[in-house]
Amino acid sequence: AQKVTQAQTEISVVEKEDVTLDCVYETRDTTYYLFWYKQPPSGELVFLIRRNSFDEQNEISGRYSWNFQKSTSSFNFTITASQVVDSAVYFCAPPGSGANNLFFGTGTRLTVIP
Amino acid sequence: ETGVTQTPRHLVMGMTNKKSLKCEQHLGHNAMYWYKQSAKKPLELMFVYNFKEQTENNSVPSRFSPECPNSSHLFLHLHTLQPEDSALYLCASSKGQGYQPQHFGDGTRLSIL
Repeated sequence: AQKVTQAQTEISVVEKEDVTLDCVYETRDTTYYLFWYKQPPSGELVFLIRRNSFDEQNEISGRYSWNFQKSTSSFNFTITASQVVDSAVYFCAPPGSGANNLFFGTGTRLTVIP
Repeated sequence: ETGVTQTPRHLVMGMTNKKSLKCEQHLGHNAMYWYKQSAKKPLELMFVYNFKEQTENNSVPSRFSPECPNSSHLFLHLHTLQPEDSALYLCASSKGQGYQPQHFGDGTRLSIL
């Protein structure tokens, strides 16, 4: 059975601190995609990144970086020098039941305190 | 601006009313989705359309009726809803099959009186 775990339900950090959001995806599939989405208080879900299970290189985009390690089934997301605008719920989304579907769990709520 | 527009942003309706939610995407995508997000619950996929054809219905009650007249527009017709249907309804679109990234609208926050 496939399972995604975002063990951190809520995290609070002070502005400018670095923060890492954990995601563990357990599956028997050898090929898969994983996604990260952000949902700010305004409600819309914002696509951040998609990674293929074959690509284990770290990805960096500005203050965001992702570390994907297939051996440990982890796809962690780090925000460097956090800002108040980073406050949101972050979802690590693996494939869902259908060919083009994703599974969104309850995510991790990040609060950045000014 | 996300490229996916949902109207209205907020809707309050009684249980006997009939209303519709509208979603329009300007991204040239072929697949469109309706999701429901209730407080403290995971996002629930409701319907999926690919090239105007419904490809998934996740056991959604018949009081929710989707319509997809073309690849750019998606509607969710509502009638005789229940208080537990109060939630944020999100529309998304993607290029199609193969786990393409989904792009979401701002959502419609629905309150049932």
